[in-house]
Amino acid sequence: DAGVTQSPTHLIKTRGQQVTLRCSPKSGHDTVSWYQQALGQGPQFIFQYYEEEERQRGNFPDRFSGHQFPNYSSELNVNALLLGDSALYLCASSLAGNLVHEQYFGPGTRLTVT
Amino acid sequence: AQSVTQLDSQVPVFEEAPVELRCNYSSSVSVYLFWYVQYPNQGLQLLLKYLSGSTLVKGINGFEAEFNKSQTSFHLRKPSVHISDTAEYFCAVSDRDFGNEKLTFGTGTRLTIIP
Repeated sequence: DAGVTQSPTHLIKTRGQQVTLRCSPKSGHDTVSWYQQALGQGPQFIFQYYEEEERQRGNFPDRFSGHQFPNYSSELNVNALLLGDSALYLCASSLAGNLVHEQYFGPGTRLTVT
Repeated sequence: AQSVTQLDSQVPVFEEAPVELRCNYSSSVSVYLFWYVQYPNQGLQLLLKYLSGSTLVKGINGFEAEFNKSQTSFHLRKPSVHISDTAEYFCAVSDRDFGNEKLTFGTGTRLTIIP
């Protein structure tokens, strides 16, 4: 049973550029959430996608956008990159209607902005 | 709004000694509570969760946690730690409402096991 996968594992970008990160959920899951984990901090919720729509959003600017595809995979896009966007980006998947709210995390994508 | 406070940023413990990692939360609604572990250069792995019922919850790798509603705490414990327990530990909460499943994390506690 494949768990949550993310690509790429590492990425280096320059300020002002745009980046796309990808996530495939655990088999059987239909909901994908994205988190940003800055160095030495806990993960912070960016947004969640369900049925190809953004269902919840955290306190992140519009430069952060996403998409969910019919196969439940998801992308996170960040425009006009800032140095402060350097972080580990974690994807988590879950099954809607599962009352335990259990989320399974991928290994993350390490983004470095120079 | 919800918040999670992990009072200790770093906890050094001798191998085979007991450990307690502290977590307090604040929320205006009922919540689910979680502890996650993050090994170096890896994602998060669920250790245990509190949903309802017994306030003592047992998880993987010999860890357990106790939910205390009056003190809004969910401290993590292990009676005897091993070198392999060296990692970052995160406490998290989520709202119980369907469709509001985002996790709010604490800032983490780095557990270092001393041989």
